[in-house]
This record gives sequence, C-alpha cells and structure tokens, in this order.
Amino acid sequence: AQSVTQLDSQVPVFEEAPVELRCNYSSSVSVYLFWYVQYPNQGLQLLLKYLSGSTLVESINGFEAEFNKSQTSFHLRKPSVHISDTAEYFCAASPMNQGGKLIFGQGTELSVKP
Amino acid sequence: GAVVSQHPSWVICKSGTSVKIECRSLDFQATTMFWYRQFPKQSLMLMATSNEGSKATYEQGVEKDKFLINHASLTLSTLTVTSAHPEDSSFYICSALSYKPNRGGLRETQYFGPGTRLLVL
Repeated sequence: AQSVTQLDSQVPVFEEAPVELRCNYSSSVSVYLFWYVQYPNQGLQLLLKYLSGSTLVESINGFEAEFNKSQTSFHLRKPSVHISDTAEYFCAASPMNQGGKLIFGQGTELSVKP
Repeated sequence: GAVVSQHPSWVICKSGTSVKIECRSLDFQATTMFWYRQFPKQSLMLMATSNEGSKATYEQGVEKDKFLINHASLTLSTLTVTSAHPEDSSFYICSALSYKPNRGGLRETQYFGPGTRLLVL
C-alpha cells in the first residue's frame, strides 16, 4: 500500500518570505511524485513533477522540489512567495505499476499575507 | 497544453434523483480517465479508474451500483450518481491520461478537469 503525508495543514507566511511545504511518502514500489496547486473554486493544476533523472525539479513560477529517496520526501520550496501563491497545495504519488493512479496527501493551505 | 472539461460545473438536485457528470478530453484521446471526490478542506480521494471500452475499476469502499461510470469513447467518460443523497454532496473531479512521444518512448501526463460541485438537498 502507498500513502502520502503532508505534515502541515496550514502554512501562513508573509509576502516575500521563503516557504517550505513538507511531503513524505510511503510505498513498497517506486513512485513518481507530483505537486499540484488548487486555487479557490478551481480544479487542480500541475505545479511540478519528478519522474526520473535530476532529483531537483523546478516550476515556471519559482517553486522547486527535491526528491530525497533516503528520507522518502518531496518537499516543495519557494525562496520568496507572492500574494498570488495563496492556494491549496497537494502532494501526490503515482506507483509505477498502477496505470497512472494518484494517491494524494491531505493538502497544505498556503496563506500569504502582505 | 491538454484540456479536460467537465459538465456541469455545478448542480443542485433533490434527494433521490440521479445526476450525470461528463468528463471530456478536448484535444487528446484518453483510454484511461479517473474520478475523484473531494470533501471541503480535504484531499482528493480516488473513486474509480475508467477505461475506454471496459468496466471501470472501483476503489475499496466505493459502491459501483451507486456511482455508475461509462467510458464509451476515447474522449468522454461519465459518472452518474444514482439516487443521490445529501451525503453525496461533494466536489467531483475527473482526470485523463495523455501519452505523448518522448525520447523514443511515451510520456504519461494526467490532466485534471475543473471539477463539478454537487449539492443534494
């Protein structure tokens, strides 16, 4: 069985401050890892993903995440957040042998304050 | 990028009625689509995997007779909530798998629809 744990349900932070959203996974098979963002009353949008290769992956809007196999983590970071980054962030894992099925974490609500 | 649509975006219905939600991949063919539900302030829970031309695969605890899934074409999957009750009120989200050539192989990407908010009175 696989599971994904997001350790923080809410993360309040001031604008231009750095932020880290934590994600740990548990799986008996290799997984692909994803971060999705959900703005209020909208669907999910893919932020970034780790499939293979470099363990550090980046998004176009300044977020990055690092796959750490030994710690089974895939934490999301941004060095300087904006008000517009306020949203719900979901970490997800997809076992390599299960046809694209995604297992989601509980979500972290990022609230950026001026 | 690839687009997945859902219709309707929201629906209010009376208890006991059935509601059909459509999920369409607009610019690609999807042999596999997924249906999730999301309760307020909670994560997405996979309900079932919808495969074109075959029966859907339901996750443990999901009633297949209550949540009917039909994937009749490569661009359309439907979820019908039968005899809906207030506890079925939720945000239903579909996704579709897209396969694109990548370095001699195929890269798999999952695209999500915008969701359908169901309120059962």
